[in-house]
Amino acid sequence: AQKVTQAQTEISVVEKEDVTLDCVYETRDTTYYLFWYKQPPSGELVFLIRRNSFDEQNEISGRYSWNFQKSTSSFNFTITASQVVDSAVYFCALFPSRLTFGEGTQLTVNP
Amino acid sequence: DGGITQSPKYLFRKEGQNVTLSCEQNLNHDAMYWYRQDPGQGLRLIYYSQIVNDFQKGDIAEGYSVSREKKESFPLTVTSAQKNPTAFYLCATKNRDKNTGELFFGEGSRLTVL
Repeated sequence: AQKVTQAQTEISVVEKEDVTLDCVYETRDTTYYLFWYKQPPSGELVFLIRRNSFDEQNEISGRYSWNFQKSTSSFNFTITASQVVDSAVYFCALFPSRLTFGEGTQLTVNP
Repeated sequence: DGGITQSPKYLFRKEGQNVTLSCEQNLNHDAMYWYRQDPGQGLRLIYYSQIVNDFQKGDIAEGYSVSREKKESFPLTVTSAQKNPTAFYLCATKNRDKNTGELFFGEGSRLTVL
């Protein structure tokens, strides 16, 4: 069985604040991929990052960074200096054989 | 433009009517998927198809049907047997040559049953 848990249903911050979205996963597979997707109000899911289970290096892309810790089965996502355009629902997902999504975190960045 | 086209974007239907949601792709991807999204429940897999003329049930297939007669098309029919059809429906595709799980999504169809 596989499962993805995003404990934060909604987060609200003020522009320029840093914000971290949590993701915890469960799987018995030793090889798997983890993803983050962004869903803006338009509805389409936008791919942000893929990380495989053998690569625990943290990654930074502009204002986005990801912290993968296999020991705690977590794949957290941090937005630095948040902007209003970051407002969206963010999904964490797990792929050992089929993509399983978490319940999503609604992020609202207020001006 | 390459991508995934879902239509209609918004759809209203009376209870008891079947409705069909369209999903067309020109990415030349073999695999196609239908997900349902409800508030606070994330995305749940309805049906998927790895290849033409073949499809498999996902986690919540009851009350839905699909067909895959062409590589480019994977329509979803929401039948009258679906007890709570009002939801946001997302179609996705995957390149089977790259088994890394990454899905590409359409913009979704919002179905409201009155």
